[in-house]
Amino acid sequence: SAVISQKPSRDICQRGTSLTIQCQVDSQVTMMFWYRQQPGQSLTLIATANQGSEATYESGFVIDKFPISRPNLTFSTLTVSNMSPEDSSIYLCSVDGTSGGGDTQYFGPGTRLTVL
Amino acid sequence: RKEVEQDPGPFNVPEGATVAFNCTYSNSASQSFFWYRQDCRKEPKLLMSVYSSGNEDGRFTAQLNRASQYISLLIRDSKLSDSATYLCVASSNDYKLSFGAGTTVTVRA
Repeated sequence: SAVISQKPSRDICQRGTSLTIQCQVDSQVTMMFWYRQQPGQSLTLIATANQGSEATYESGFVIDKFPISRPNLTFSTLTVSNMSPEDSSIYLCSVDGTSGGGDTQYFGPGTRLTVL
Repeated sequence: RKEVEQDPGPFNVPEGATVAFNCTYSNSASQSFFWYRQDCRKEPKLLMSVYSSGNEDGRFTAQLNRASQYISLLIRDSKLSDSATYLCVASSNDYKLSFGAGTTVTVRA
């Protein structure tokens, strides 16, 4: 499976500021995804990062709040804009992979965000 | 209604015991199914895919029942290192994964 890194691994931010999270993969991948995992909950897909075009957002998530870039097949960024305490969460990127059984995904180590 | 539902547990079992748990999915169009393992403060890691015929990977056995729309995971001869949260995942043709909230398993010595 691909090796995925994320920066920063954690951050504490003030309300109203923005944070950009980077996701780097060691090989070219077709699809990259951004998820959020709030405390005690499961993962929720924010958007699919499409190379060379706008990201595809899930219901409840909008580009103004979570702008995403995907400049090439190994890198993506997610920005959490105008943060509030409700944005405190773990943000994870993932990439598509193959396991012989369908549409698996492999996850980066996550970015733990706390908004004060 | 959540797309994938799991019993949150926790399942507390002694070493060497067998533990099994299920999840249900609501989207009948789901095509692929997986179990992921998530350790505390870590990212989810793929444990195994789930095939229609059922499949085994060492001490882990997964079953899929499409008619009843449920997936099961059985862990035999539990080890302390099996303590984790197990996430049930369903995927439709659009590559999106729907995660359950997870089942927590604690194996005690």
